[in-house]
Amino acid sequence: SQQGEEDPQALSIQEGENATMNCSYKTSINNLQWYRQNSGRGLVHLILIRSNEREKHSGRLRVTLDTSKKSSSLLITASRAADTASYFCATDRTTGNQFYFGTGTSLTVIP
Amino acid sequence: DGGITQSPKYLFRKEGQNVTLSCEQNLNHDAMYWYRQDPGQGLRLIYYSQIVNDFQKGDIAEGYSVSREKKESFPLTVTSAQKNPTAFYLCASSISGGPSTEAFFGQGTRLTVV
Repeated sequence: SQQGEEDPQALSIQEGENATMNCSYKTSINNLQWYRQNSGRGLVHLILIRSNEREKHSGRLRVTLDTSKKSSSLLITASRAADTASYFCATDRTTGNQFYFGTGTSLTVIP
Repeated sequence: DGGITQSPKYLFRKEGQNVTLSCEQNLNHDAMYWYRQDPGQGLRLIYYSQIVNDFQKGDIAEGYSVSREKKESFPLTVTSAQKNPTAFYLCASSISGGPSTEAFFGQGTRLTVV
């Protein structure tokens, strides 16, 4: 069974606005990652946050992690049309060596 | 260029036939993974390998087989036992067997059963 669930399933915003997507997971984790997938392509790693971190930034990306709520959020600021893609969270478990991916959020940024 | 390469990009298979999807990496990564992606769903793990000559079943291994004879290569065979093989298949690799580092993905193979 999948570990992560993203919310919302789909999001449509105007260029320049911020986009926020959330990920909830079920079991304890060591770290959580966010990936991006353009249509019909492979996934590209965006950012990794460890279980002892609460917030991390990378360029226009801001990721938060709340282990007490078993949730994470990805914020993309000042969105661009090129940000249009699907975004997935991926978690591990404190036992095992696998990545578990959620169902993804499909983001559309309208120029 | 370093990276992970999947081939072919598109593959058509007749019902009842086995087909092998190729995945090659030159990143010197120990761990490799195969995922299946269906529309509206996330990635589901088929098989993974943490070291040469060793691999483990994922959540949906039935109807699939793999081998890991070389560090660089992790081919996936979709057998005739797989009831619904039409899907987008993604191969990935990471430095070590633990997911504490990022995974690098290939561009995927879209398999269609005709």
